[in-house]
Amino acid sequence: EVQLVESGGGLVQPGRSLRLSCAASGFILDDYAMHWVRQGPGKGLEWVSTLEWNSGSIGYADSVKGRFTISRDIAKNSLYLQMNSLGAEDTALYYCTKGGSTGWYPESWGQGTLVTVSS
Amino acid sequence: AIRMTQSPSSVSASEGDSVTVTCRASQGVSTNLAWYQEKPGRAPKVLISGVSTLQSGAPSRFRGSGSGTDFALTITYLQSDDFATYYCLQYDSYPWAFGQGTRVEVK
Repeated sequence: EVQLVESGGGLVQPGRSLRLSCAASGFILDDYAMHWVRQGPGKGLEWVSTLEWNSGSIGYADSVKGRFTISRDIAKNSLYLQMNSLGAEDTALYYCTKGGSTGWYPESWGQGTLVTVSS
Repeated sequence: AIRMTQSPSSVSASEGDSVTVTCRASQGVSTNLAWYQEKPGRAPKVLISGVSTLQSGAPSRFRGSGSGTDFALTITYLQSDDFATYYCLQYDSYPWAFGQGTRVEVK
């Protein structure tokens, strides 16, 4: 059974950094595209970043490019999101998602970790 | 960047009705278009991928259609479990983009 468990969220001051983690089980992370998707309070879904299965390509939303970095540790079967220069607009529930077997779209989702950026 | 324009933003319907949600891309996305259902307090769930491929476990009353830049999600014979918010997602080229969402509510 696929499981994705996010951690690392919390309250952080504007301008500071935070690192989110996603522990994956039930599949080999290196075999799939992995993504981060977020949802701000009262807002819609926003794609944040994708790490393709062979690490051949990485994509970022314009709103986070240059500030966020996606990465993974194959040995730990874990995905990460390093978030720097955080602002109030980054306040959101962050979901770790696994790509599909027939396409890279987010197929399986974790329960999310909440990031609140506030002074 | 490809922009996804989803409509309507909300629709009121009754059980047994059919509902159609549309998504227009600012440029072609090939067949890389998915639909998601979201309910309060729960992670989103993929219903359709590749424009029209029904995901395992998704009811057959959900149907995806379209091509190029214009796509639709149709729910036939709406059930109580279908009152939720729906999003399209283009995953053809970076940056990927979700539509703004359509809330299907009880009439």
